[in-house]
Amino acid sequence: DTGVSQDPRHKITKRGQNVTFRCDPISEHNRLYWYRQTLGQGPEFLTYFQNEAQLEKSRLLSDRFSAERPKGSFSTLEIQRTEQGDSAMYLCASSPALGADTQYFGPGTRLTVL
Amino acid sequence: AQTVTQSQPEMSVQEAETVTLSCTYDTSESNYYLFWYKQPPSRQMILVIRQEAYKQQNATENRFSVNFQKAAKSFSLKISDSQLGDTAMYFCAFMNLDSRLTFGEGTQLTVNP
Repeated sequence: DTGVSQDPRHKITKRGQNVTFRCDPISEHNRLYWYRQTLGQGPEFLTYFQNEAQLEKSRLLSDRFSAERPKGSFSTLEIQRTEQGDSAMYLCASSPALGADTQYFGPGTRLTVL
Repeated sequence: AQTVTQSQPEMSVQEAETVTLSCTYDTSESNYYLFWYKQPPSRQMILVIRQEAYKQQNATENRFSVNFQKAAKSFSLKISDSQLGDTAMYFCAFMNLDSRLTFGEGTQLTVNP
């Protein structure tokens, strides 16, 4: 079992640019979650998918953020017109099935917006 | 909305000793799950232990155990025989049946040789 992977691990961008992150969940995990973690804080929920369906979005996910999971496997998180306040670690997690299964986290993508 | 509070931003312990990290939470739900995750420096979040609220017995995983007090909404983590590799940020997290995790602010634990 290879675990959750995320790409890239680090991204530096200029304010106003668009960025896209990718997450590959553990094989056959139906649920995929995105969280954002700022320095010194716990992660905050952004959104999650059950297979290809996006079931919930946090109010933290502004209109500049969009997430997809087109074939129910990998997921992408895009941020348009980045702002300095978007600088954070973006974490992806996956879980096997329905209900309150344990979520397994990837290493995260650290975004720095200059 | 659920909230999770970790009142100890930093803690330290000597190697081989025991340390307890505190966590309280607030919810109106009766069915939920509680977790402790560990995040070592520059490394990914790892599950330490999990507790189902409907179980009265406290969860145990090797050197890690919890003291779950449902009425008091308290969920503390005890680490016995602390090791240098236990140095990390520890997060308490709450999950209700909609499966999103709500995390506390974290406790930075340092194990000293």
